[in-house]
Amino acid sequence: GQNIDQPTEMTATEGAIVQINCTYQTSGFNGLFWYQQHAGEAPTFLSYNVLDGLEEKGRFSSFLSRSKGYSYLLLKELQMKDSASYLCVRAGSYQLTFGKGTKLSVIP
Amino acid sequence: GAGVSQSPSNKVTEKGKDVELRCDPISGHTALYWYRQSLGQGLEFLIYFQGNSAPDKSGLPSDRFSAERTGGSVSTLTIQRTQQEDSAVYLCASSLEGARTEAFFGQGTRLTVV
Repeated sequence: GQNIDQPTEMTATEGAIVQINCTYQTSGFNGLFWYQQHAGEAPTFLSYNVLDGLEEKGRFSSFLSRSKGYSYLLLKELQMKDSASYLCVRAGSYQLTFGKGTKLSVIP
Repeated sequence: GAGVSQSPSNKVTEKGKDVELRCDPISGHTALYWYRQSLGQGLEFLIYFQGNSAPDKSGLPSDRFSAERTGGSVSTLTIQRTQQEDSAVYLCASSLEGARTEAFFGQGTRLTVV
């Protein structure tokens, strides 16, 4: 299977740091994406990891460990507009398999 | 085009009718995906096209669902004899070369079967 596990919901305070974890099946793995989806909107690309390690892009960073089948998305200096669902997406040979998403609520 | 375009944006249809959903991918993108998303749920994979071929149709829920892509560009998703459980947002995405490249999503077609 290609099960992707991530927490259903998280809450964090404006200005804080939050880490969203994701585990996935390692067989046939070709990379790990993170997408952001605001309510009622289409998903938008945040990051892509294919090699182990940390990729930093502004306030957002994404980490991958291929041997552990593990990734996380790190959001720093949280803003109210970061309230959204964050989707962990596993790339297979051609299929993109989406996790059910982590709904992040940023509170004042 | 500048982005992935889907039409119609909203469709209300009577149970038992056929519907056709259209997706115009970004020009030059060889890979095209269809997903559907029910309210509050995750994205459910339906089908993937590489060019005009569909190497993976495993996600189509039943034989009432079919999809085609012509000229390596426009794709249509057809649902025959619609049922209420088909109500969802149908999202199309395209990417330059497939699963290793960023997928760009259209705004979706919200299908309501009454």
